[in-house]
Amino acid sequence: NAGVMQNPRHLVRRRGQEARLRCSPMKGHSHVYWYRQLPEEGLKFMVYLQKENIIDESGMPKERFSAEFPKEGPSILRIQQVVRGDSAAYFCASSWDRSNQPQHFGDGTRLSIL
Amino acid sequence: DAKTTQPPSMDCAEGRAANLPCNHSTISGNEYVYWYRQIHSQGPQYIIHGLKNNETNEMASLIITEDRKSSTLILPHATLRDTAVYYCSRSNTSYGKLTFGQGTILTVHP
Repeated sequence: NAGVMQNPRHLVRRRGQEARLRCSPMKGHSHVYWYRQLPEEGLKFMVYLQKENIIDESGMPKERFSAEFPKEGPSILRIQQVVRGDSAAYFCASSWDRSNQPQHFGDGTRLSIL
Repeated sequence: DAKTTQPPSMDCAEGRAANLPCNHSTISGNEYVYWYRQIHSQGPQYIIHGLKNNETNEMASLIITEDRKSSTLILPHATLRDTAVYYCSRSNTSYGKLTFGQGTILTVHP
């Protein structure tokens, strides 16, 4: 019973490049959340998606960041023209629904910007 | 302000109960309290959650005060493998997103 799968686990990019982070939710889960964890800090919500729809993107930076969750395939978090401050661990979580069902997290993608 | 407040660190002896407090004085009526833990380099692991009643599962117990302004996570018999950062968080049932506190580093020692 596979959990939330994220890839790659580690990603290195140079300033100005694009980073694409992938997340496959648990089987049967249609709600996906992305969180960011800066070094030595707690987790901060970025965006919440349900198949093909963005429900809440209140935590997403207004520029360079975008997210999608297509009908088929994984959810993608895309960061364009990366800067040093984007270095962080990015975690994806999924849930059965958005009420009182717990979110289950993947092991994250650690993004390093050179 | 959807904050939760936790002590930065705590120690516990192996085999004893670990009681981790969390303050969420501004919690609203439809927000659940969730507890997760994070072991170095892994993703947060779900532990337990509740709305207003005390809850217990195979991992832990959750005690929520009657006014819902604070809660305590109890690990009844801590082991060395319970050493981790424990996060208290809250989630609005309408929006689903989790708001995490800064976490408590729990160190279980022999």
